[in-house]
Amino acid sequence: ILNVEQSPQSLHVQEGDSTNFTCSFPSSNFYALHWYRWETAKSPEALFVMTLNGDEKKKGRISATLNTKEGYSYLYIKGSQPEDSATYLCAASAGTASKLTFGTGTRLQVTL
Amino acid sequence: SQTIHQWPATLVQPVGSPLSLECTVEGTSNPNLYWYRQAAGRGLQLLFYSVGIGQISSEVPQNLSASRPQDRQFILSSKKLLLSDSGFYLCAWSVVPGGFTLEQYFGPGTRLTVT
Repeated sequence: ILNVEQSPQSLHVQEGDSTNFTCSFPSSNFYALHWYRWETAKSPEALFVMTLNGDEKKKGRISATLNTKEGYSYLYIKGSQPEDSATYLCAASAGTASKLTFGTGTRLQVTL
Repeated sequence: SQTIHQWPATLVQPVGSPLSLECTVEGTSNPNLYWYRQAAGRGLQLLFYSVGIGQISSEVPQNLSASRPQDRQFILSSKKLLLSDSGFYLCAWSVVPGGFTLEQYFGPGTRLTVT
């Protein structure tokens, strides 16, 4: 069983602030790293899947990087908006493509 | 397009009663299927996954079981519920072309409260 850790546990920022979260995972036998956004009363929504060391993905104001050698990924949100308020989950797979181990998430609240 | 259905949306059951949660996927064939649970204050925990009809892998020993009677149907069951089975249950699917994991797509979830 992988140990996937996320920090911080929660974050409260103001509209327009940029922010970032961290996901750490075991670097041995790494396969893929996933980021999801989970809004209240909705299903988790996939943001990114990354597999290669140095990968960078971007979707609008949200971007993510991956360092498989040291076992971490960062998620960045530029110019946070209230609609970015959600729990951001990362998940890693190792060895097999089928199973993901999720972290406990970072809960982001963006206020006006 | 693909859609995933789960029912019921909410459920309140007494301790010792049976459980059956159903998940169906439309618009794809031979998906991988997953059951997750989020207990209060905890992250998403993988309970079961299935790569094909009748093929179930259990991730943690527990009071639950899963079955996949059809390609796009995944059922989570219990013979006797425990208080600790309370939580939010999510079904998910993915396709793994050539062994490469793509995103998992989640259903709307079932909120189970065991009293």
